[in-house]
Amino acid sequence: KQEVTQIPAALSVPEGENLVLNCSFTDSAIYNLQWFRQDPGKGLTSLLLIQSSQREQTSGRLNASLDKSSGRSTLYIAASQPGDSATYLCAAATGTASKLTFGTGTRLQVTL
Amino acid sequence: DAGVTQSPTHLIKTRGQQVTLRCSPKSGHDTVSWYQQALGQGPQFIFQYYEEEERQRGNFPDRFSGHQFPNYSSELNVNALLLGDSALYLCASSLVGGKETQYFGPGTRLLVL
Repeated sequence: KQEVTQIPAALSVPEGENLVLNCSFTDSAIYNLQWFRQDPGKGLTSLLLIQSSQREQTSGRLNASLDKSSGRSTLYIAASQPGDSATYLCAAATGTASKLTFGTGTRLQVTL
Repeated sequence: DAGVTQSPTHLIKTRGQQVTLRCSPKSGHDTVSWYQQALGQGPQFIFQYYEEEERQRGNFPDRFSGHQFPNYSSELNVNALLLGDSALYLCASSLVGGKETQYFGPGTRLLVL
């Protein structure tokens, strides 16, 4: 059974800092790993998807890495902004339906 | 290009009632998955529909059932509602195989009193 853990649970940083969010998973037989952003009371916005054959993906100030052998992924956010404040979720896709198993998220607050 | 849409946005029910939630997938997508997200938790997989059949099911009781229509839209039905069914219900759409990005709708917030 796939289990996904995210550390830290919450993080507060001043504007402009670079930061790293961590995600670990127990079953390395994944198709891909996705990072999502969730604003309070809202749905999920897909940020980055890394296929199992890839090591990293970049989009703007975001960079996600994947190390299947160690069961880890990281999301790096450069030059954080107050608008980045949200909960960040990682999810591993497994099985014939590529069902997503989510972590409980990291709640990020970027202060002025 | 419309993304994933869900209706209603909010719903209040009492214990024992039944509820139906609706989802329209992103244009071009043929697969719909449903997730339940309790407060402060990550979403939990309920089931996935493809070609109008349930393809895979998570660890949810038979009170949770679904349907997919020929136009790929989907419904989630929950019978005999319990207080613990209060949650945000999310629909995600993708192409068959699901190895590409899954796109989520805004969710339906269900409150069971």
